[in-house]
Amino acid sequence: DQQVKQNSPSLSVQEGRISILNCDYTNSMFDYFLWYKKYPAEGPTFLISISSIKDKNEDGRFTVFLNKSAKHLSLHIVPSQPGDSAVYFCAAGNTGTASKLTFGTGTRLQVML
Amino acid sequence: KAGVTQTPRYLIKTRGQQVTLSCSPISGHRSVSWYQQTPGQGLQFLFEYFSETQRNKGNFPGRFSGRQFSNSRSEMNVSTLELGDSALYLCASTPGVGRGNTIYFGEGSWLTVV
Repeated sequence: DQQVKQNSPSLSVQEGRISILNCDYTNSMFDYFLWYKKYPAEGPTFLISISSIKDKNEDGRFTVFLNKSAKHLSLHIVPSQPGDSAVYFCAAGNTGTASKLTFGTGTRLQVML
Repeated sequence: KAGVTQTPRYLIKTRGQQVTLSCSPISGHRSVSWYQQTPGQGLQFLFEYFSETQRNKGNFPGRFSGRQFSNSRSEMNVSTLELGDSALYLCASTPGVGRGNTIYFGEGSWLTVV
């Protein structure tokens, strides 16, 4: 049972435009969410996180939105840059099992010149 | 500050052998967790250690085991290797337990079983 889903395996956007990556979850026990960026043969790099007590968190070009009622979160990257091209994973966890993250299957983002 | 360090980065083992992977967490981090990444299953949680005790365990067979030392360094072991164990094994560390602890990953150890 896939508790964290990223339904878009890939996304292409033009440089300078907005990239929106989506993630859905089914487990109501998740209370914090993270986004990671990953290049091939490297470990995931932390981007941004959000707690379930918030509905938005912003860090530079990255903003994460959380809609608890819809069990949906999204990552906005504005403006998109060619260096943002990578695979993006959303992950969900519960404070009680802090390091046990459940990952989505990833979305490959390609930012075109 | 140094990141999460994993050794070895690449290794090839034969089916039936065993393997030990090592992880040094970020200085001051006391929680270490391990994940397996395969093309078919994605990133899956193996187990987590905190203060030398296993706190959580994922849905993997008993061939997968781990431990943590008093300096927070951790090792994971896979015995009786199978071809399907070929994967990227990732170690992650976090300061401790609690809301908002960001989890930082190492570069991973690529294991190929032939």
